[in-house]
Amino acid sequence: DAKTTQPPSMDCAEGRAANLPCNHSTISGNEYVYWYRQIHSQGPQYIIHGLKNNETNEMASLIITEDRKSSTLILPHATLRDTAVYYCIVRAFYNQGGKLIFGQGTELSVKP
Amino acid sequence: GAGVSQSPRYKVAKRGQDVALRCDPISGHVSLFWYQQALGQGPEFLTYFQNEAQLDKSGLPSDRFFAERPEGSVSTLKIQRTQQEDSAVYLCASSSLKQGLGQPQHFGDGTRLSIL
Repeated sequence: DAKTTQPPSMDCAEGRAANLPCNHSTISGNEYVYWYRQIHSQGPQYIIHGLKNNETNEMASLIITEDRKSSTLILPHATLRDTAVYYCIVRAFYNQGGKLIFGQGTELSVKP
Repeated sequence: GAGVSQSPRYKVAKRGQDVALRCDPISGHVSLFWYQQALGQGPEFLTYFQNEAQLDKSGLPSDRFFAERPEGSVSTLKIQRTQQEDSAVYLCASSSLKQGLGQPQHFGDGTRLSIL
């Protein structure tokens, strides 16, 4: 699975959009981009995933560049409860066991 | 609820004791994963089951770690002769299809294991 690079930390004002970047320059054609977040003392929570098209669900939007070498997770109206570590993970569609390889993630702090 | 359930939530053991951690996956989920998360780090893969078959155990750190899923549902992670470096949060995740097939994994809240 391709490696990802994320900034270690970011701040965002409550009510504003949080834009979390991720670089995955070695991504291959059969690899998806997944985003998870982990709130303190909880297990990781699935947010969204995509292959090459932009995706949106009730939690967030995922924008993937045309060359697929980077992506951005957008939380449109961040709240204090969105404070968490956000992980960007690239995973092959059929990799063995589908295991997730977590990096260090981005620690997002939403401030009032 | 219908999520992944793990027990106990917290476990304290003395060095050298054996421990057993339980995972109840989401009903009907074929795939089950165990991860270990050290303090301040991201989760690291331990092992993977598809139904009752353990298809990947490459992440188990030593032969003191053993996992089973005898009936393809509940899974138990056992650690024998615990050592202080085994202190971590142990996370279980499940997903609905074989080999992932793009389906996301859903995690429990983990068992926090402390070895004294």
